[in-house]
Amino acid sequence: EVQLVESGGGLIQPGGSLRLSCAASGLIVSSDYMSWVRQAPGKGLEWVSIIYSGGTTYYADFVKGRFTISRDNSKNTLYLQINSLRAEDTAVYYCARTGDRGYFDYWGQGTLVTVSS
Amino acid sequence: SYVLTQPPSVSVAPGQTATITCGGNNIGSKSVHWYQQKPGQAPVLVVYDDSDRPSGIPERFSGSNSGNTATLTISRVEAGDEADYYCQVWDARGVFGGGTKLTV
Repeated sequence: EVQLVESGGGLIQPGGSLRLSCAASGLIVSSDYMSWVRQAPGKGLEWVSIIYSGGTTYYADFVKGRFTISRDNSKNTLYLQINSLRAEDTAVYYCARTGDRGYFDYWGQGTLVTVSS
Repeated sequence: SYVLTQPPSVSVAPGQTATITCGGNNIGSKSVHWYQQKPGQAPVLVVYDDSDRPSGIPERFSGSNSGNTATLTISRVEAGDEADYYCQVWDARGVFGGGTKLTV
């Protein structure tokens, strides 16, 4: 059974930094494509970033160099480093396994990031 | 950037058929995926690659895609199908539609 468990969210001041984690079981993070998707309160889903099995990474345009996706193969864990946080980054952040045609077939329960002073 | 357009809401009576559309420029040339999201829960993939269903998804959920419109069809709608539904494609990055709230 595939399980993805996110952690690391919380209340952070504007301009701050946060590292989100996604611990995986039932799949191998380094062998799969893995994405982050976020959802602002009361809003729709928004794709954030992907890391391919080969290590190539891509980001949504709004990231503008502030986010970094990475993984620790020994811990089978995916990460999202978020810097220069803004109020509009407030959202639930989900990690998701990504199929080869871009669908998200397994999702974590999400971790809430609240950016506020 | 690629844009997907969904109606904000769809209402249907129990037992009837719900149709949720997803519009995009020549979307028929892309693989379309659909997600169901209930309040406070993570999204669930209900249809992928236009019309395939993951294991565990009822046959009542089906999809089609042609021209500029993809469609998610839910037959014999049940109260438990009430949720937000999102279409999605991969266009060098993940692209989601704005979501459709299905009211039963």
